[in-house]
Amino acid sequence: GQQVMQIPQYQHVQEGEDFTTYCNSSTTLSNIQWYKQRPGGHPVFLIQLVKSGEVKKQKRLTFQFGEAKKNSSLHITATQTTDVGTYFCAGSTPEGTYKYIFGTGTRLKVLA
Amino acid sequence: GAGVSQSPSNKVTEKGKDVELRCDPISGHTALYWYRQSLGQGLEFLIYFQGNSAPDKSGLPSDRFSAERTGGSVSTLTIQRTQQEDSAVYLCASSFTGRDGYTFGSGTRLTVV
Repeated sequence: GQQVMQIPQYQHVQEGEDFTTYCNSSTTLSNIQWYKQRPGGHPVFLIQLVKSGEVKKQKRLTFQFGEAKKNSSLHITATQTTDVGTYFCAGSTPEGTYKYIFGTGTRLKVLA
Repeated sequence: GAGVSQSPSNKVTEKGKDVELRCDPISGHTALYWYRQSLGQGLEFLIYFQGNSAPDKSGLPSDRFSAERTGGSVSTLTIQRTQQEDSAVYLCASSFTGRDGYTFGSGTRLTVV
């Protein structure tokens, strides 16, 4: 079945450093979504990417969708303590009916 | 409502008992999903409802798990004869069309003792 892996599993950074998490699917995706889950909270939708090679920015966050639509990345510039949490990607396959398979997640800790 | 509402927020049950978890999605959202998240782990897909279509039950881990969605709105996830490995946070999410981002509820933390 479809698998979505994320690396790294954990990342500790000093406040102000950059952070990147990578998402890789075993199958070609129709689109990909990114979510953030704060400790003790529930996932919150950040963004959706649909087109091959698409790049979207939200303030300090940059999202990319690979040309082959099998991988994606989230890059945070100059991390802040408010960025702490687990970042999940979620991919939907072309054959799927918008059933999203979530990645394994990357837990980010930001040290002040 | 303004968001996805789940009840109860916490449930402790004895092994072997049945439990029902409720999800009230955002009004007008046609897609509804159930996921399960064990402590410190990712989200495991359970079941997906889209409009009047037959639900996608491919993620249900065993026949002890079932879910229904009445009138295209409220959904109930039922776990029969609970086992300790069923302990997890059960998250419900809804989406306007299924093609946009999910809005998650706060989840039900199920503990089987």
